[in-house]
Amino acid sequence: GAGVSQSPSNKVTEKGKDVELRCDPISGHTALYWYRQSLGQGLEFLIYFQGNSAPDKSGLPSDRFSAERTGGSVSTLTIQRTQQEDSAVYLCASSFQQGRGYGYTFGSGTRLTVV
Amino acid sequence: GESVGLHLPTLSVQEGDNSIINCAYSNSASDYFIWYKQESGKGPQFIIDIRSNMDKRQGQRVTVLLNKTVKHLSLQIAATQPGDSAVYFCAENNAGNMLTFGGGTRLMVKP
Repeated sequence: GAGVSQSPSNKVTEKGKDVELRCDPISGHTALYWYRQSLGQGLEFLIYFQGNSAPDKSGLPSDRFSAERTGGSVSTLTIQRTQQEDSAVYLCASSFQQGRGYGYTFGSGTRLTVV
Repeated sequence: GESVGLHLPTLSVQEGDNSIINCAYSNSASDYFIWYKQESGKGPQFIIDIRSNMDKRQGQRVTVLLNKTVKHLSLQIAATQPGDSAVYFCAENNAGNMLTFGGGTRLMVKP
């Protein structure tokens, strides 16, 4: 597609349920990033995929969070046993190369609300 | 915590005036910087970038200034318009492969 596509755009879930958030990066972009943005806050790095290399998971806040990227394209962020503090906008971005010297293209995000 | 920027301050300007949004960074190894604009309900969008071998770069109505001596980055918007109302993030690329984002500044344009 022409841009980074994220789905769903909005998700309301009950506390304790698992959720999956999907990201379709720009075709040909080898790097993919997940960020979290709480209301009125900045961007919190979660995880980074580059090609076939092992992902950088250093930003994941707990072991309830995981992500995978299949075939070097689509990525899924999974949050298990959701908590109210997980409520945020989850943003995905992709870039053509590794981050150095290249900007990211962001999707519109998935707004997650845990009730 | 973030090495770039401050915690979401708000800048209010009159339509037609010039806006200046500031960002401080702490990593002297950073050699590439980007400004992003995030409108409500959307993801951040690239505005302009600058590499550390430059101290100024101009785009359409926007100028980015880089002062490496004091590790300071600014975004200047000329003749600010209502459509410029958004949150603006600076980001740095240092020795790693990823961008580090600042906390953002909310720009409000008064008609």
